[in-house]
Amino acid sequence: DAGVIQSPRHEVTEMGQEVTLRCKPISGHDYLFWYRQTMMRGLELLIYFNNNVPIDDSGMPEDRFSAKMPNASFSTLKIQPSEPRDSAVYFCASSITSGGDEQFFGPGTRLTVL
Amino acid sequence: TQLLEQSPQFLSIQEGENLTVYCNSSSVFSSLQWYRQEPGEGPVLLVTVVTGGEVKKLKRLTFQFGDARKDSSLHITAAQPGDTGLYLCAGWNYGGSQGNLIFGKGTKLSVKP
Repeated sequence: DAGVIQSPRHEVTEMGQEVTLRCKPISGHDYLFWYRQTMMRGLELLIYFNNNVPIDDSGMPEDRFSAKMPNASFSTLKIQPSEPRDSAVYFCASSITSGGDEQFFGPGTRLTVL
Repeated sequence: TQLLEQSPQFLSIQEGENLTVYCNSSSVFSSLQWYRQEPGEGPVLLVTVVTGGEVKKLKRLTFQFGDARKDSSLHITAAQPGDTGLYLCAGWNYGGSQGNLIFGKGTKLSVKP
């Protein structure tokens, strides 16, 4: 298996633009997680899905952020409009179960909003 | 709100030295994981500890879960440059019908040759 795949690896955009981050989880994993990592706040959970259904989105910072999982092999995280404070590395992870199971992380998308 | 505090935040040592990093919380966790993250990559799981007082060894790395399941430590013997990276602890606590991992901010380790 290729592992969790994320695209793009790097994204530079201007304030106000829409940004879409993409993730393909490991086949057979029922859980998908979106995280944001910054020096100040560390690794923060934004939202997670179970069998394509959003379970907990309490970490989504505000309405500018939205996430979808239309099928078991694809998820998106969208920021509209983007702001400089959204600059961070965004990780997608997947796991077989949720109960403290190992999470497999993708390589991340480094987002810079100018 | 459950929090995991990791210390030290940064650690720079010479090859061959021993070191210990800590992960502390006021909350009890059902299990605790340690991940290592290298620059430009996502975190990778090293170990999961479940039982209070549990000790696990992974080559030169020794992990311990506190008796009360509120804290954990990672000890590295004879550190090597390949150990360089960000070490993250993550606690899991069953909450209702679902749960998720709470991550600490990490200890950034640099091992100089």
